[in-house]
Amino acid sequence: AQSVAQPEDQVNVAEGNPLTVKCTYSVSGNPYLFWYVQYPNRGLQFLLKYITGDNLVKGSYGFEAEFNKSQTSFHLKKPSALVSDSALYFCAVRDDTGGFKTIFGAGTRLFVKA
Amino acid sequence: NAGVTQTPKFRVLKTGQSMTLLCAQDMNHEYMYWYRQDPGMGLRLIHYSVGEGTTAKGEVPDGYNVSRLKKQNFLLGLESAAPSQTSVYFCASSYHSDRPTQYFGPGTRLTVL
Repeated sequence: AQSVAQPEDQVNVAEGNPLTVKCTYSVSGNPYLFWYVQYPNRGLQFLLKYITGDNLVKGSYGFEAEFNKSQTSFHLKKPSALVSDSALYFCAVRDDTGGFKTIFGAGTRLFVKA
Repeated sequence: NAGVTQTPKFRVLKTGQSMTLLCAQDMNHEYMYWYRQDPGMGLRLIHYSVGEGTTAKGEVPDGYNVSRLKKQNFLLGLESAAPSQTSVYFCASSYHSDRPTQYFGPGTRLTVL
């Protein structure tokens, strides 16, 4: 069965410092992996995805994520955090065996201090 | 394009009342989904549809029904609301299985007293 774990409920980082939001997954086939961001009182917005190809994926707003098959991880990163990056981040996974269900992690709240 | 829209934005119900949440998308997406979001639990899939006239159960379907009579609309119904259904409900859509990125609506905050 598919599952996603985001081990940190909250991540605190100072503006200008690099940030990492962690995600590990479990799927039966090859994974489709996603990161979404949710700002207060808004729906989720797509940030980036990995389906195949280069393990380092670049997405919106300067975010990137690295797919690591051996560690079954897909950590979200940004070299220099902004206060405006403060939001709730969700990792999601879907396997490529034709299923229609995408499983979302519980979310990690990112706080960037000025 | 408006993208994915949801009505209403807020609603308060009494236990036992019924209501329908409407989701509409103007991107010609085949797939549509209803999720609920509860604190610390992420998003859980209630029901989904892979095309007009088709629906299927997700993770937490009990107490909900859905219909997809038109490709652009996906309705979520609560026949007899319970306090456990207090949540924020999100609708999403995607093109098809080979283009799985989902586009979300702004959400409906439902309180059941």
